[in-house]
Amino acid sequence: AQSVTQPDIHITVSEGASLELRCNYSYGATPYLFWYVQSPGQGLQLLLKYFSGDTLVQGIKGFEAEFKRSQSSFNLRKPSVHWSDAAEYFCAVGGTTSGTYKYIFGTGTRLKVLA
Amino acid sequence: DVKVTQSSRYLVKRTGEKVFLECVQDMDHENMFWYRQDPGLGLRLIYFSYDVKMKEKGDIPEGYSVSREKKERFSLILESASTNQTSMYLCASNTIRGGNQPQHFGDGTRLSIL
Repeated sequence: AQSVTQPDIHITVSEGASLELRCNYSYGATPYLFWYVQSPGQGLQLLLKYFSGDTLVQGIKGFEAEFKRSQSSFNLRKPSVHWSDAAEYFCAVGGTTSGTYKYIFGTGTRLKVLA
Repeated sequence: DVKVTQSSRYLVKRTGEKVFLECVQDMDHENMFWYRQDPGLGLRLIYFSYDVKMKEKGDIPEGYSVSREKKERFSLILESASTNQTSMYLCASNTIRGGNQPQHFGDGTRLSIL
């Protein structure tokens, strides 16, 4: 079955510390992978995406993610967290097959940043 | 920049009312989606549409219907609102030109059914 797992519901880090948010997926075909961020009361904003090619992808706001096919993972990283990064983060997988419209979202990881 | 606009940020309705949530996108996207977001459950797909007048059920379509009469507009309808439909509703759109592209989201409608 197709699924996306974000094992950490909540993560707390100090401002300036490094961050890694985990995402594991199960998908039958070659996946498109995404990370989104949601600030309180807002919709989801795309941070980065992986379609093919270089397995380390750069996104907005200083975030990066690494696709590891052998581990079925697509973890999000940031070397130094800012207080404004406090938000909820969602990993998602979409199909590459023509006619596959559905995306599967993880349940999200809520990030708290300590001053 | 893609803009997905949801007509209301906050909405309060009563049990049994017929409720319309409207969504408009300005990028000529083929696909449009309605999600429901609840704490701990992530985003759950209610319905999506890949063309005008075309629709497909998502994972939780019960109690909802949709309408897409024009390419830019996708409406979610609660035929007879119930308290268990109190939630955050998110609309999204994307294009399949050049492959399956990321979805772009509106700011959401927080709906309360009393």
